[in-house]
Amino acid sequence: ETGVTQTPRHLVMGMTNKKSLKCEQHLGHNAMYWYKQSAKKPLELMFVYSLEERVENNSVPSRFSPECPNSSHLFLHLHTLQPEDSALYLCASSQDRGAWYGYTFGSGTRLTVV
Amino acid sequence: GEDVEQSLFLSVREGDSSVINCTYTDSSSTYLYWYKQEPGAGLQLLTYIFSNMDMKQDQRLTVLLNKKDKHLSLRIADTQTGDSAIYFCAETNSFTNTGNQFYFGTGTSLTVIP
Repeated sequence: ETGVTQTPRHLVMGMTNKKSLKCEQHLGHNAMYWYKQSAKKPLELMFVYSLEERVENNSVPSRFSPECPNSSHLFLHLHTLQPEDSALYLCASSQDRGAWYGYTFGSGTRLTVV
Repeated sequence: GEDVEQSLFLSVREGDSSVINCTYTDSSSTYLYWYKQEPGAGLQLLTYIFSNMDMKQDQRLTVLLNKKDKHLSLRIADTQTGDSAIYFCAETNSFTNTGNQFYFGTGTSLTVIP
């Protein structure tokens, strides 16, 4: 266990469903991130939160909606997804945004859209 | 964004050395990283190197950086079956107060054959 916990580990959803991914860290980190991992593609940064404020949104479709209610929790709300959104969604955290020493990653949620 | 490229697959025999290569385009790169992702898990930071270094050694791991060619490699000596995983190269180029952006490659899937 790395200190960053993601639930659920696996999720299968229909294109009309609404679901949420959860990420939790108790490392005292101030920055949290959502990444998308697709086969044969570079890891893709989706959202960045620093001190609970969203500071970056890398042109992600609006069917993905992040929420950061406090510095320990991060959610990714999903609605009307497409099959191409099937991927491994990784949450990460770091002490601050300027974390040259790298991130701590969770184990990911494997999402399948049918 | 910056590009980080890796080959997708590598197979080696147990006991041999593995060399995983990475090229990047960012001439302002400051830190470069290798992450390991075991099956069903998130990314785990293995090692990093500062851009003013040519080499870093840590037990069975040797990182070589050729800044002129923008080429990074990870050598694993005496490769074991437990080394089978996906290895991600990453780099960052900024340490401002607004934080730094990490650029990841596609990952190289290393298979160790007993």
